[in-house]
Order: sequence, then structure tokens, then C-alpha cells
Amino acid sequence: NAGVTQTPKFRILKIGQSMTLQCTQDMNHNYMYWYRQDPGMGLKLIYYSVGAGITDKGEVPNGYNVSRSTTEDFPLRLELAAPSQTSVYFCASRQNTEAFFGQGTRLTVV
Amino acid sequence: AQSVTQLDSHVSVSEGTPVLLRCNYSSSYSPSLFWYVQHPNKGLQLLLKYTSAATLVKGINGFEAEFKKSETSFHLTKPSAHMSDAAEYFCVVTHVSPGGSYIPTFGRGTSLIVHP
Repeated sequence: NAGVTQTPKFRILKIGQSMTLQCTQDMNHNYMYWYRQDPGMGLKLIYYSVGAGITDKGEVPNGYNVSRSTTEDFPLRLELAAPSQTSVYFCASRQNTEAFFGQGTRLTVV
Repeated sequence: AQSVTQLDSHVSVSEGTPVLLRCNYSSSYSPSLFWYVQHPNKGLQLLLKYTSAATLVKGINGFEAEFKKSETSFHLTKPSAHMSDAAEYFCVVTHVSPGGSYIPTFGRGTSLIVHP
């Protein structure tokens, strides 16, 4: 039981490039979330999903897209990377009350 | 609307002295409340959770928190700090979106510094 797995752990992008942050969970959880963490700001919700085929915007969705074709996977897409998207990204899944987090992806846009 | 306020951005203690990390929340219903810890360059680990059972919640590594509805608080305490407790701590409340979805909402975090 691996929990929530994020890949890659680190990535450097150039402005305007695109990439997909991968997130997969093996706990059969319905809820999945993407957050970004910036110093002193806590974690801000980007997108979330309540089940396969259903996604919704969080607090800071601009510049990102998601899809949820299966229960296990919830990839986050950056289409045109900008310096403001330099951050640490966390994926989480949840069933009942507790949320389980991945180890994070540190993204730098230069 | 639901929100979480962590009252201190930094808390500094000496090893062996008590720890108090403060958290206030606002919620229009009975909330689920959590404390998570994040060690440098690591992911988030659940310390403890309150889900409408006992108001005094015990967690891992000697931490505990008390839910006080009248004060809308969920402060985290530990009787004696250890050097390994130095980390970032997040208070989290799960709120319900207008569409009925459960959304964990984070405070800004409190950095705990432990001096030898």
C-alpha cells in the first residue's frame, strides 16, 4: 500500500513550457486534491475532485488544468509555465475524515 | 465561510519546555479539525484529529489538542519540547463547499523553533 505517490519530485521549467504533475493513490479514495505551498501562506487549493469524471476549481485554479479519468489518478497540467507558478505542489486523497498527502513536487519556473 | 487562523507565524522554545501552538477557526457547523506537521523538505504528516468525539485529542509524539467550541479554538500543546519537534505545523479545518464537497482548508502555518 503506497498511499499517495507524486512524480516528479523536482522539476525546472522554462517560461512558456508545459508539464504534467502526476498523482496516483492506491487507497480507492473518492476525493483528491491539488494544493500549492508558498512560504508563509500555508497550502492553497488549486483543484479538487470528488470522484472519477468530476473536478472543480479551488481557490487558485488559474494557469492549471486537471482531469480525473480513473479513481487512482489525478494529474495536474501546467500549459504555459510562469514564474508565479514556482512552488511546491502537494496532492492529497481523502476518504471519511483524514487526508493523506504525497511527498510533494518542487517546481521552479525560470 | 470557513477559515483557519494560526495566531503565531513563529514560536521559539527551549528544549524541555512546554509548547503551545494556537489555532482559531470559524465554521458554520461542527467542524473536523486537524494538526499536520511538516519537517524540512518533507511531506505532511497527521499529528491528530478532532471529529466530534472527545474534546481532548491525543496525537503522536506526545502532542495533544483541545477543541473548545465556546472559544472556537483548537490549540496544540506538548508538555516538553524535543529538538526533533522543530518543524512547520499546520492547523486544518474541513469545510463543506456550496456543492457539498469536503475541502480541507489550511492555516498559514507556525514554524516551531527549538533551542538546545
